[in-house]
This record gives sequence, C-alpha cells and structure tokens, in this order.
Amino acid sequence: DAGVTQSPTHLIKTRGQQVTLRCSPKSGHDTVSWYQQALGQGPQFIFQYYEEEERQRGNFPDRFSGHQFPNYSSELNVNALLLGDSALYLCASSLVGVNTEAFFGQGTRLTVV
Amino acid sequence: GENVEQHPSTLSVQEGDSAVIKCTYSDSASNYFPWYKQELGKGPQLIIDIRSNVGEKKDQRIAVTLNKTAKHFSLHITETQPEDSAVYFCAASPGKAGKSTFGDGTTLTVKP
Repeated sequence: DAGVTQSPTHLIKTRGQQVTLRCSPKSGHDTVSWYQQALGQGPQFIFQYYEEEERQRGNFPDRFSGHQFPNYSSELNVNALLLGDSALYLCASSLVGVNTEAFFGQGTRLTVV
Repeated sequence: GENVEQHPSTLSVQEGDSAVIKCTYSDSASNYFPWYKQELGKGPQLIIDIRSNVGEKKDQRIAVTLNKTAKHFSLHITETQPEDSAVYFCAASPGKAGKSTFGDGTTLTVKP
C-alpha cells in the first residue's frame, strides 16, 4: 500500500501564475481533503472532495479550486498566486462512514516569488 | 466555527521523562480528536485518536484523555526517547470524515 502520494514535492512559481497540485489517496479511501500549512502553524482546512464534488470548504478565496476524479485522485488549483500562498499543501485521504481517520501525504512545498 | 488551542508551544524533556500536551476546543459538535506527529519535511502522521464516547485511550507509551464537559483533551507520552522529538498537533473534528481543525502545534525536544 503506497499510502497517500502527492506531486510534485517542491514547486516554485511567480506571483500571478497558476499552479496545480496532485494527490492520490490511500487505497480504499474515497474522500480527499486539502490543507494549507504555513511555516510554524497547524494545517488549515481548504476543502474536501467526495463523490467528485466539493462537500465542505474552509475560509479560502475562490482562487482555490479543486477537482476529484472517478479514481478518487484529486487536484488542487490556485490561480493568481500571491506571496502569501507560499506554504506546505497537504492532502489527506479518508473513508466516509465509520472510519474517520485521515492519512496525510508528505505534502507539496509551494514557494511563490 | 471550531477553535482549537494547544499548549505549550515548545516542550523540552530529558530522555525517560514524561511529556504532556494539552488542547482545548470550542465546538461541542466535535466528537473525534486525533493527534498527529510531524517530522521535518514530512506530512503529519496519525499517532493516536479518541472519540467522544471514550474518556481515555492508551497505545504503548502514548495515551490520550478527553474531558467533554471541560472541552479539553491531552496527549501523554511516557518514557520519552530522542526519536519522539517532533512537532505534535492536536485536532478536533465533527467526525464522519469531516474537516479537522488543528492546534498550532507543540515542538517536543527529548534530550538524550
């Protein structure tokens, strides 16, 4: 079992550009949540996808959008990048229903210059 | 919305001592409380969790306690080892794979 995998591991983008981050959930999981972790802080919830739809959303602007594919993998898109978007972006997968444990990937370190 | 406060922000102990990290939450709808360990350059790793119908849970050297009335929960690590050094996060969730709200983390250093 490969666990949760994210790509790329590191990324450098210029202010104003757009970025796409990818996540493959743990085998058997159907729900993907995205978090932003700024340096020295805890992860902040961005949104969650289940059955290819956004089910819950945190306090993030519309510049942050996502998608879930039929194989449960997911993408996070950020438009019009700001310097403040620099952070570690984490993907967590879980299984809706009885189990609520979320397993995290290693994250994508995004640097906006 | 939910607010989770975590204390202390840094904790330094001698190898073999115990370490305690405390968290409080605000939303009475939260019923699932996971703890994560995050090492440098890695994503958070679930180390133990507790649900609101349980007051205490133990897994080898790690234990978690929950006081629903006071809305606080704690992580206890006994017989600490240098490899326990990491950042620890508490979180609160309404369960059913709902979103988790995290504390700001505790940097634990275990001195050999």
